Amino acid sequence: TAGITQAPTSQILAAGRSMTLRCTQDMRHNAMYWYRQDLGLGLRLIHYSNTAGTTGKGEVPDGYSVSRANTDDFPLTLASAVPSQTSVYFCASSDGGSGRSTDTQYFGPGTRLTVL
Amino acid sequence: GQNIDQPTEMTATEGAIVQINCTYQTSGFNGLFWYQQHAGEAPTFLSYNVLDGLEEKGRFSSFLSRSKGYSYLLLKELQMKDSASYLCAVLDSNYQLIWGAGTKLIIKP
Repeated sequence: TAGITQAPTSQILAAGRSMTLRCTQDMRHNAMYWYRQDLGLGLRLIHYSNTAGTTGKGEVPDGYSVSRANTDDFPLTLASAVPSQTSVYFCASSDGGSGRSTDTQYFGPGTRLTVL
Repeated sequence: GQNIDQPTEMTATEGAIVQINCTYQTSGFNGLFWYQQHAGEAPTFLSYNVLDGLEEKGRFSSFLSRSKGYSYLLLKELQMKDSASYLCAVLDSNYQLIWGAGTKLIIKP
């Protein structure tokens, strides 16, 4: 199985433009997550979804929005990109969806985004 | 605030043993994860500890002491492919993962 796929692999974006990072999983996992990873910092949670139809804010949600219309897809949108959003973005999923899960998170390959 | 501390970088020799430490201060504790991340790739799961003690899985072992807020990852018989970053993450009282910045492990022949 493919597991988790993300698109695009990398992107250069002009400041002020909008962009949607795509994430799809085929493991039928309930929970999905978006992280950003910056040099010298740990992974930081942007938004999450415990199950289809629900979303929640993570540690750094400002400037980002998500939707979870179905189990498989969890797109992340930057409405008006700023240079501080230059980062590597990882999507992840886990089986448990109760919001009290200790299940392992599995990661997609990441999207490298540069905002100029 | 919540804090996960790991050394930034470590160097070890092929065939040797290395211990990567992680200390944490979090609001609540529901388990500790170790992930491996090769450069330019996604993190991949290595281990999960929720009870005190040592969990062994092949060449890798993970130890947890909840009273000390401390864990370590032990890698034996090091191979060149073990060159990677090792990420420590704690599941807090809200069941959200708090991540350390990672330890970059360099293996020399």
